[in-house]
Amino acid sequence: AQSVTQLDSQVPVFEEAPVELRCNYSSSVSVYLFWYVQYPNQGLQLLLKYLSGSTLVKGINGFEAEFNKSQTSFHLRKPSVHISDTAEYFCAVIYSGGYQKVTFGIGTKLQVIP
Amino acid sequence: GAGVSQTPSNKVTEKGKYVELRCDPISGHTALYWYRQSLGQGPEFLIYFQGTGAADDSGLPNDRFFAVRPEGSVSTLKIQRTERGDSAVYLCASSLDGGPSTYEQYFGPGTRLTVT
Repeated sequence: AQSVTQLDSQVPVFEEAPVELRCNYSSSVSVYLFWYVQYPNQGLQLLLKYLSGSTLVKGINGFEAEFNKSQTSFHLRKPSVHISDTAEYFCAVIYSGGYQKVTFGIGTKLQVIP
Repeated sequence: GAGVSQTPSNKVTEKGKYVELRCDPISGHTALYWYRQSLGQGPEFLIYFQGTGAADDSGLPNDRFFAVRPEGSVSTLKIQRTERGDSAVYLCASSLDGGPSTYEQYFGPGTRLTVT
C-alpha cells in the first residue's frame, strides 16, 4: 500500500536553531510531493511542492525541502526557526495516476522554544 | 479573494442522527475534495469531484457517507445514522482544474463533527 511516513511526531527546537522534519514515502511510481502547515485553529496551508525539475525546492517562510528519489525522502528544513513557526507540519504525496488524491502523513508538531 | 469556506464550523449531534456538511470552493475551481482528519492523524482522503461528478469516491468509509455537487460548485457531505467513530474534523479543498498544472489544493478551515 502507498504510504507516507513522518518519523517524528513532535520536534522541540530552540528559537533561531535549525530544524529538519523528516518524511519518507513508499512508491514504485512517479510522485508529486508537498509540505503543508497547520497553525493552531487554522486550515492547512501549502508550504512548498515538488512536481519536477530541481530537487531542491523553496517555499514560504524560509522553508525548503529536497526530493531524494533513491531514498524516497522529502525532508523539510529551515536554517533558523522563529516562535511563529510553531505549528503542525504534514508531508503529502500525490501518486502518478492517482488523479489528485493526496495521501498525508500523520504530521509533525514543531514546538519552537524561546 | 475569498477562500474555501465550510459550514458549520462545529456540529454536535447525537448518535444515529443525520448530518450535512457544506463546502463552498474558490470561485472557478472545478476540482473539489473532501478529507477527514481524526485526532492525532493526518487528513484522510474521502472523495474527489471534477465538476459535478465524483471522479474518485474510494475513500468513503461505508454507505452511510455520501457527497454531492449538483451544480459543480457547492458540495455537501452527508452522513446518515452517525456513529461516535465519525467524530472528526472534515476538511474540504478545491483546486483549479484537477490537472497537473498546479496540483495545489486550497483547504477550508474544516467542520468539527462531534457525535455524542
